[in-house]
Amino acid sequence: DQQVKQNSPSLSVQEGRISILNCDYTNSMFDYFLWYKKYPAEGPTFLISISSIKDKNEDGRFTVFLNKSAKHLSLHIVPSQPGDSAVYFCAASEGAGNKLTFGGGTRVLVKP
Amino acid sequence: SAVISQKPSRDICQRGTSLTIQCQVDSQVTMMFWYRQQPGQSLTLIATANQGSEATYESGFVIDKFPISRPNLTFSTLTVSNMSPEDSSIYLCSAKGTRFPLNYGYTFGSGTRLTVV
Repeated sequence: DQQVKQNSPSLSVQEGRISILNCDYTNSMFDYFLWYKKYPAEGPTFLISISSIKDKNEDGRFTVFLNKSAKHLSLHIVPSQPGDSAVYFCAASEGAGNKLTFGGGTRVLVKP
Repeated sequence: SAVISQKPSRDICQRGTSLTIQCQVDSQVTMMFWYRQQPGQSLTLIATANQGSEATYESGFVIDKFPISRPNLTFSTLTVSNMSPEDSSIYLCSAKGTRFPLNYGYTFGSGTRLTVV
């Protein structure tokens, strides 16, 4: 039973345009959500998080939106840069500081 | 310098043998976790490493196969025992603390790429 799903395995976007990555979850107890970026041969790097008391969090080029009623979150990257090409994972937990459940990942390719 | 150091970074092991992976954090942390990423898959939590007590294992993972130690607040080891080719994966250590940057999301080590032949 996949509690966190990323239905798009890959995404291709032109440099300078917006990248939108989506994530759905089924566990209503999840209240803390995170996005990670992963390059090959490296560990995941934390990008941005959001708690369930908010519906939006922004950090530079990265914005995460949370729709609790739909159990859906998205990550917007604006503008996309070639260095953003990586695999992006969304993750969720029941409270900050508890174990994370990861989605399957979305591979993003930003074309120059 | 790395916040979390993981050793070895990669290894090729014979089936039936065991490998111990070390995870060193450069400051005290409250939580440490071990994950596995099988080829082409997402990250799956193996266990939560508890300081001074037995690790808490997720469904499908057992202590005899993946013994974990956490003797203090900065160090943990994961052993992959009696390895088979199905254990070929990337193993990742993760930590969360109360001081920046470890309080900002969960920090991961660079991983150990294990190949069992």
